[in-house]
Amino acid sequence: GQNIDQPTEMTATEGAIVQINCTYQTSGFNGLFWYQQHAGEAPTFLSYNVLDGLEEKGRFSSFLSRSKGYSYLLLKELQMKDSASYLCAVFSGGYNKLIFGAGTRLAVHP
Amino acid sequence: GAVVSQHPSWVICKSGTSVKIECRSLDFQATTMFWYRQFPKQSLMLMATSNEGSKATYEQGVEKDKFLINHASLTLSTLTVTSAHPEDSSFYICSAPTIYRDRWYEQYFGPGTRLTVT
Repeated sequence: GQNIDQPTEMTATEGAIVQINCTYQTSGFNGLFWYQQHAGEAPTFLSYNVLDGLEEKGRFSSFLSRSKGYSYLLLKELQMKDSASYLCAVFSGGYNKLIFGAGTRLAVHP
Repeated sequence: GAVVSQHPSWVICKSGTSVKIECRSLDFQATTMFWYRQFPKQSLMLMATSNEGSKATYEQGVEKDKFLINHASLTLSTLTVTSAHPEDSSFYICSAPTIYRDRWYEQYFGPGTRLTVT
């Protein structure tokens, strides 16, 4: 079967750093995506990891370990606008589609 | 970046009627598009894969006769919710993958369609 797990909710303080973890078990693996979604809006692309290691993009970084079936999204210098849901999704090559986790709702407080 | 549009952005319909939602790739060709449904505070659930020029592939548990998908051109896929009921009220989102080195890469999402069935 296919399974993607991430925490349901997280809270953090403005200016701080937060790490959102994602573990996965899928049939076939062709990359892992992180998306940000604000309420009532479509997801927006944040990062894509297909090889092990860290990908950095400004305040956002994403890490992947394929052997452990594990990824995390690191958000630095948190801003209030970062309050959103963060979706971990695995591109399952065997099925040619993105499988989404349930999402992590992040609340950033002053 | 690539742009995907959806129309309408929101729709209210009466129970028993049908509603058509359009998904267009504006600046690239998409032989494949995906349709998702999202209930409040839940993640995206893949409903079906829309293939240009052939039948759609539906996920387990999704009624193909209720959710009709037509992918008539390389830039347009439509989802028709037939005989809609209140439980079909949801946020419907389409996406289209781009191709990079002959492999699917990033998916671009449409802005979504909020369907409310009264």
